[in-house]
Amino acid sequence: AQTVTQSQPEMSVQEAETVTLSCTYDTSENNYYLFWYKQPPSRQMILVIRQEAYKQQNATENRFSVNFQKAAKSFSLKISDSQLGDTAMYFCAFMKPLLGGNKLVFGAGTILRVKS
Amino acid sequence: GAVVSQHPSRVICKSGTSVKIECRSLDFQATTMFWYRQFPKQSLMLMATSNEGSKATYEQGVEKDKFLINHASLTLSTLTVTSAHPEDSSFYICSASAEQGSPLHFGNGTRLTVT
Repeated sequence: AQTVTQSQPEMSVQEAETVTLSCTYDTSENNYYLFWYKQPPSRQMILVIRQEAYKQQNATENRFSVNFQKAAKSFSLKISDSQLGDTAMYFCAFMKPLLGGNKLVFGAGTILRVKS
Repeated sequence: GAVVSQHPSRVICKSGTSVKIECRSLDFQATTMFWYRQFPKQSLMLMATSNEGSKATYEQGVEKDKFLINHASLTLSTLTVTSAHPEDSSFYICSASAEQGSPLHFGNGTRLTVT
């Protein structure tokens, strides 16, 4: 069974600075997907970024980028130029595509607070 | 983009009654939907996988008779909490994806309070 570990329960960062959230996972699969989701106080789950395991290039979405190390099974999220609106709980998630569905396995989450 | 609608957003019910939560994919068909439960400041716990036209697959420890799931069409899955008790109070979220490997899209969640 796949597991996802987020070792940082809470983090703080000053506005405009950069922060990195860590995530490691355990799987014997070779083909899979990794995601970072953001859950602000509204509790809406928002997709931040997606990485396909077969792609070596790290995914980037504006201020958000990942450092995907497949051999080390590591998938960290870097947030540049942090904004107050980035305050949220961040979940790392693993997906092994299955015929007829895409089950996500979530990490425990990291609460990120951006301070002004 | 793909949208998942969940209703109601909040519900308060008395102990012993049943509550139905709906999850709809608005602009795509979803043969599979997922139901999660989340406690405050904790991660999402998968409860069950809802399969269109067949029985749901429940995760270990989730009571099938307590949490009834029906997926009668390609755009609608329902979760019914039967004979609700205060310990069933929680945040329930559904999700679905348009195709294999694509990101899951989540409903806005339902906050259930059982008094």
